[in-house]
Amino acid sequence: DVKVTQSSRYLVKRTGEKVFLECVQDMDHENMFWYRQDPGLGLRLIYFSYDVKMKEKGDIPEGYSVSREKKERFSLILESASTNQTSMYLCASSLTSGGPRSSYEQYFGPGTRLTVT
Amino acid sequence: KNEVEQSPQNLTAQEGEFITINCSYSVGISALHWLQQHPGGGIVSLFMLSSGKKKHGRLIATINIQEKHSSLHITASHPRDSAVYICAVRSRGSNYKLTFGKGTLLTVNP
Repeated sequence: DVKVTQSSRYLVKRTGEKVFLECVQDMDHENMFWYRQDPGLGLRLIYFSYDVKMKEKGDIPEGYSVSREKKERFSLILESASTNQTSMYLCASSLTSGGPRSSYEQYFGPGTRLTVT
Repeated sequence: KNEVEQSPQNLTAQEGEFITINCSYSVGISALHWLQQHPGGGIVSLFMLSSGKKKHGRLIATINIQEKHSSLHITASHPRDSAVYICAVRSRGSNYKLTFGKGTLLTVNP
């Protein structure tokens, strides 16, 4: 069973604080993703990583950065948290492309509900 | 206009009813995913399909590539089916990027 874990289920931070959200997967997946989910907007991709130290911007990267120093761990960083970054953050992972069809399936973590006050 | 449109946005049913959730998309795709999200956040993949029909227990997913439309059916619905159901498409030529619908909130009353 693939397991994707996130460091916190709930987090409350103050405006201007630096925030780290951590995600760990245990299935040796190459691809890892960070999404945010907001009511009425659905899931939106923030950043994607396809290998260690490799990253690509998603649809809404502004105000975020990421780090992938090890294959199993993908961190989302809010350099200076703002109230409009209050949201549910979801991490996901998948095998790389080129394998069987099931390798495209994304496995999600439980989510971190971040409140910035 | 969102590339992936789901209907209805909200659906309330009585236990035992047959449920249908629809998903329409506007781009060429290589696959379509149906996901389930229970209260609390965790998302689980239900189906990934690129043609035809798949069945898992009481859940059935169909896709019509020519019409750019997919449906998720739940037979003999149960209160534990209450969740948000999300449709997502992987565009042709993309190895990873999913575009998500806004979800359908299903409530099944006993």
